[in-house]
Amino acid sequence: EIVLTQSPGTLSLSPGERATLSCRTSQRINRSYLMWYQQRPGQAPRLLIYGASNRATGTPDRFSGSGSGTDFTLTISSLEPEDFAVYFCQQYGDSTGTFGQGTKVEIK
Amino acid sequence: QVQLVQSGGELKKPGASVKISCKASGYSFTTYGINWVRQAPGQGLEWMGWMPFYNGYTNYPQKFRGRITMTADTSTNTAYMELRGLTSDDTAVYYCARAVGIGLDHWGQGTLVTVSS
Repeated sequence: EIVLTQSPGTLSLSPGERATLSCRTSQRINRSYLMWYQQRPGQAPRLLIYGASNRATGTPDRFSGSGSGTDFTLTISSLEPEDFAVYFCQQYGDSTGTFGQGTKVEIK
Repeated sequence: QVQLVQSGGELKKPGASVKISCKASGYSFTTYGINWVRQAPGQGLEWMGWMPFYNGYTNYPQKFRGRITMTADTSTNTAYMELRGLTSDDTAVYYCARAVGIGLDHWGQGTLVTVSS
């Protein structure tokens, strides 16, 4: 089973700052099989990025995804108040949809 | 619009089974697969498996094989997930989610399952 490790666990930033979130997989995966989700408190997750770098419908362009192989990154160019949430990466590279443990982006 | 509406919360005793429903509307039900994901209190997301309707296949991770069954009633556009042999570790919010390609683009509201004696 492919393990996903997200870092940092918590990111403390101010509105307007840039956020960089990392997701590392234990084996190389096809970048087509890497997704990012946002989860706000009390809500279901929301798909932000699929195929490592494609924004899902409704995802603002301040969100961007990049990476390949075993290292993937979600970048939020300028944090808006509604972006303070938990972010999860997910992979389907081995036909199991494992998630990372999440990165919490909190207000500094 | 696409909606996935799940059944209500459940309180179960250890050793019991739970069956959660997920009624889909606003799209062609059998065109997309349904995944199930759970989240224990204060924890991350855990993938429980998926059912792509086009081939009648189900895919469960090793952790759940033997005690999970995903089914669907295409006449009512409803997916079901049954989990057997419940323990306190199964206390969680359970979500169904539509799979478009690989990403999960629409999610149900979640169903809280509490396992307690």
